[in-house]
Amino acid sequence: DAKTTQPNSMESNEEEPVHLPCNHSTISGTDYIHWYRQLPSQGPEYVIHGLTSNVNNRMASLAIAEDRKSSTLILHRATLRDAAVYYCILRARDDKIIFGKGTRLHILP
Amino acid sequence: DSGVTQTPKHLITATGQRVTLRCSPRSGDLSVYWYQQSLDQGLQFLIQYYNGEERAKGNILERFSAQQFPDLHSELNLSSLELGDSALYFCASSVAGGGDNYGYTFGSGTRLTVV
Repeated sequence: DAKTTQPNSMESNEEEPVHLPCNHSTISGTDYIHWYRQLPSQGPEYVIHGLTSNVNNRMASLAIAEDRKSSTLILHRATLRDAAVYYCILRARDDKIIFGKGTRLHILP
Repeated sequence: DSGVTQTPKHLITATGQRVTLRCSPRSGDLSVYWYQQSLDQGLQFLIQYYNGEERAKGNILERFSAQQFPDLHSELNLSSLELGDSALYFCASSVAGGGDNYGYTFGSGTRLTVV
């Protein structure tokens, strides 16, 4: 499985944007970049995914570097409810999702 | 409510016993995935079923087995339980098992405590 590298933890202030980085220098041309998050005492939750182009949905935006060796999950306006562990995952088409350690995001009121 | 239902929510049992965890996937989803989450190991993929057939296997112990029934619900059987099997067990479902790149929908998990 291709590897991703994320910071262990990050802090952000409430109502400010949050940029969560992910490095994936060994990504292959067919790997999709997926992001999930896990709120305390809950199951993981799908956030967003993309292949080459930047993606937006109601939860977040995904910015993918031109060489695809890194990506950034952007939460436009963090709330206390966004405090969670965020997982950046590379997924080959048809392949299962393998979770790494993720980034624990703390939101400061 | 994610649409994926897991029962029971909590289970306490003794070492050496056998338990069955149940998962009902979201309506229309054909694939079911099982994950184990413990404090020291994080989220570990165990096994995937697609439309009743085993599709992929991860770090699943021989003491553990699973199946997916014709109505698409799945059961994870854990036998000869050890203290180290205490963990959260998550089930997830997705639309298909291949040829797609949809996200997974996870249930809220079953917390298993082995005493």
